[in-house]
Amino acid sequence: SSELTQPPSVSVSPGQTARITCSGDTLSKEYAYWYQQRPGQAPVMVIDKDSERPSGIPERFSGSSSGTIVTLTISGAQAEDEADYYCQSSDTSGRYVFFGGGTKLTVL
Amino acid sequence: QMQLVQSGPEVKKPGTSVKVSCKTSGFTLSNSAVQWVRQARGQRLEWIGWVVARSDNTNNAQKFQGRVTFTRDMSTNTAHMELNSLTSEDTAVYYCAARACSSTSCLDGMDVWGQGTTVTVSS
Repeated sequence: SSELTQPPSVSVSPGQTARITCSGDTLSKEYAYWYQQRPGQAPVMVIDKDSERPSGIPERFSGSSSGTIVTLTISGAQAEDEADYYCQSSDTSGRYVFFGGGTKLTVL
Repeated sequence: QMQLVQSGPEVKKPGTSVKVSCKTSGFTLSNSAVQWVRQARGQRLEWIGWVVARSDNTNNAQKFQGRVTFTRDMSTNTAHMELNSLTSEDTAVYYCAARACSSTSCLDGMDVWGQGTTVTVSS
């Protein structure tokens, strides 16, 4: 299956830890990527290959993988982290790409 | 600084075609793959397809089969996406995104994104 499932929304208070999950059958075999999208802006990769943090991304962003579920963790969420977050992966051939439905993170 | 610069907004009539351009800055197209993603207002990201520049190999989502074409011009470091037979459902922001090829893959995620091109389809 090419479907990735994310919760529609997650809310945390400033300074708390936010966890956003993404589940899908291919995640046990293929890498997942996480993107942050603020309103009116292009997406930005925040996690590469399940758990790698690209240059320039704050250390509070981390990723983990367990079986068919990957998790984006934001430790000590800040107001500026309020955004939509999308997971992305591919099918086992690597030729077809798909995104999760997105999760709106509210920090208040 | 690695950047992708996309062409400007487009307004098209139903049944016509649109061509969106994506020019690299700070890196060469030749060792990259360019993916195309769109987003209707208030909706999720939707993958359209990709082109691997050095091989000109392409692939696209089944939804767009027969309607989308990806090309690239190495001399200008520009990738293009053309979408035909437009309907109102194609109204969206279209993004290009790129990743440099590693020794094993050109399709590991998208770490550089363009600013987006708004395409409006309206009679």
